[in-house]
Amino acid sequence: EAAVTQSPRNKVTVTGGNVTLSCRQTNSHNYMYWYRQDTGHGLRLIHYSYGAGNLQIGDVPDGYKATRTTQEDFFLLLELASPSQTSLYFCASSGHRGDTQYFGPGTRLLVL
Amino acid sequence: GEQVEQRPPHLSVREGDSAIIICTYTDSATAYFSWYKQEAGAGLQLLMSVLSNVDRKEEQGLTVLLNKKDKQLSLNLTAAHPGDSAVYFCAVSGNNYAQGLTFGLGTRVSVFP
Repeated sequence: EAAVTQSPRNKVTVTGGNVTLSCRQTNSHNYMYWYRQDTGHGLRLIHYSYGAGNLQIGDVPDGYKATRTTQEDFFLLLELASPSQTSLYFCASSGHRGDTQYFGPGTRLLVL
Repeated sequence: GEQVEQRPPHLSVREGDSAIIICTYTDSATAYFSWYKQEAGAGLQLLMSVLSNVDRKEEQGLTVLLNKKDKQLSLNLTAAHPGDSAVYFCAVSGNNYAQGLTFGLGTRVSVFP
């Protein structure tokens, strides 16, 4: 079974705060993704990467940075968090760009 | 680019009855079709996937139908049980893996006794 873990599982910060969400996959997958999930919008792709050091912009990248330090680790950075970034964030990995994606358990972020 | 419309957004089903969720996609070159299940407090888990050369696939009380003529993908939960209560997402992608998965907005299924 493919394994994707995320930390923290829950996070509360204030407007203007600095937040880093972490994701690790042990699937030896090339692709990793960051999504946000909001009611009425489904899953929206923020950033993705196809390998260490690579970063690709997704559909809703504004206000987010990401970094892929190794094949296993992908981080999402919110340097000046805003209430509009309150959401449920998912990380996923896949072998190919359009292939089955394996999701982590999610991080619930609240920006006050 | 690809767009996916999923319906209905909510579905209440009596235990033992069947439930059908339909996704309509726009790109005729779509080649990979999948359904994910999201239980409360968890990430999405793959239920079933089919390629474009498959019209029907059955597995463990689930049936996936692909109608390429109408560009529709459906998921049929036969004999629903409480463990089927979850949010279901369809996801599709093209045949060259250059495009990522395009997800539907999800269907919340509630199974009641």
